[in-house]
Amino acid sequence: DSGVTQTPKHLITATGQRVTLRCSPRSGDLSVYWYQQSLDQGLQFLIQYYNGEERAKGNILERFSAQQFPDLHSELNLSSLELGDSALYFCASSVGPGLDGVHNEQFFGPGTRLTVL
Amino acid sequence: GDSVTQMEGPVTLSEEAFLTINCTYTATGYPSLFWYVQYPGEGLQLLLKATKADDKGSNKGFEATYRKETTSFHLEKGSVQVSDSAVYFCALSGRDFGNEKLTFGTGTRLTIIP
Repeated sequence: DSGVTQTPKHLITATGQRVTLRCSPRSGDLSVYWYQQSLDQGLQFLIQYYNGEERAKGNILERFSAQQFPDLHSELNLSSLELGDSALYFCASSVGPGLDGVHNEQFFGPGTRLTVL
Repeated sequence: GDSVTQMEGPVTLSEEAFLTINCTYTATGYPSLFWYVQYPGEGLQLLLKATKADDKGSNKGFEATYRKETTSFHLEKGSVQVSDSAVYFCALSGRDFGNEKLTFGTGTRLTIIP
């Protein structure tokens, strides 16, 4: 158990709908990362938050948004869903930036499997 | 941009065989390198890491050496077990401020048969 929790575990919805994925980081971790794992794109970084602020953005679609709340949990919102958004969405957390450019380990949650029908 | 090229799978080996999974990378500067493992139905777990050239990461009998001259970080294990069956991902993260994201390879599915 990594200490990172994600809900729900599975989500089945229809095209055009909107869903919210939730992540609670490990106790004490300030950074939260979201990754998407799909068969055709592999594992891709979406977005990172550090202590409530957006820190880095990857290949995140405009239909997707995220935020990190004062209690440090994070939510990933996916809207106008398309079939191609079906994937496993992982959240990871770390204590934050490391020293001398050596970043701290990221701990991954079990993921939310999204199926868009 | 940064990228990781990983040995295509799937790989099937007999128990106690020697394992090598190749990984090469492209990155600016001196990234940190990682191997993550994903067991069926689970999230990713860090297997080992190396943060500078010639560092050797090791864990659970697995080893990988950070080779800057060949930009490689190949994963090896001398004697694999059935319990090692999983998907293995090579990954890197840059050293720049604000560049902590992990860039992953495509993953290699490993199956060990008794």
